[in-house]
Amino acid sequence: GAVVSQHPSRVICKSGTSVKIECRSLDFQATTMFWYRQFPKQSLMLMATSNEGSKATYEQGVEKDKFLINHASLTLSTLTVTSAHPEDSSFYICSAILRPQKPNHGYTFGSGTRLTVV
Amino acid sequence: AQSVTQLDSQVPVFEEAPVELRCNYSSSVSVYLFWYVQYPNQGLQLLLKYLSGSTLVKGINGFEAEFNKSQTSFHLRKPSVHISDTAEYFCAVSLIQGAQKLVFGQGTRLTINP
Repeated sequence: GAVVSQHPSRVICKSGTSVKIECRSLDFQATTMFWYRQFPKQSLMLMATSNEGSKATYEQGVEKDKFLINHASLTLSTLTVTSAHPEDSSFYICSAILRPQKPNHGYTFGSGTRLTVV
Repeated sequence: AQSVTQLDSQVPVFEEAPVELRCNYSSSVSVYLFWYVQYPNQGLQLLLKYLSGSTLVKGINGFEAEFNKSQTSFHLRKPSVHISDTAEYFCAVSLIQGAQKLVFGQGTRLTINP
């Protein structure tokens, strides 16, 4: 079946530094990927929709200059948290659509990245 | 805009008992419906989905859900739960036409007690 690999699974960084999270579709081409953020004991909040070869579409209230998304190939999307602060600490999850022409036949999720900013 | 409400934030159940996790949605247009399970510090795994056809949908791990259009509900059920079913469960919707993003409910923490 479709697999999405997300890396790293955990990362601790210092305030002011940047962190890059990768999301790869291993056995399919993902023209669209989604990035979610999840606070403890809360639901997933969509941050942005990433389309290969074009700029990401950010949800209202998400700072695009802080959360940089790059979807340079059909199998890789990256989320870079720039100038990280402790309030950016969260669980970040990516998701990819298996077949864009029938998107609801396959949303595949990565295993998530636990970011802790100290 | 679409929204999803999961009426119970926590549901404690004894092992081998039946369980129902409730989900209601709001949308002015037709949607697809999903249930996902999340184990600690992991991503989401699809339990089942309703796209069209029969309103009773069967999924993995013995779960099933019934789509009720008049009540805008998509409740998840399992006749007999196991300790391993302890997890967070999310109901989600997406548009049939247009934006492909998933909108999630708040989640229900299912705890199975021995």
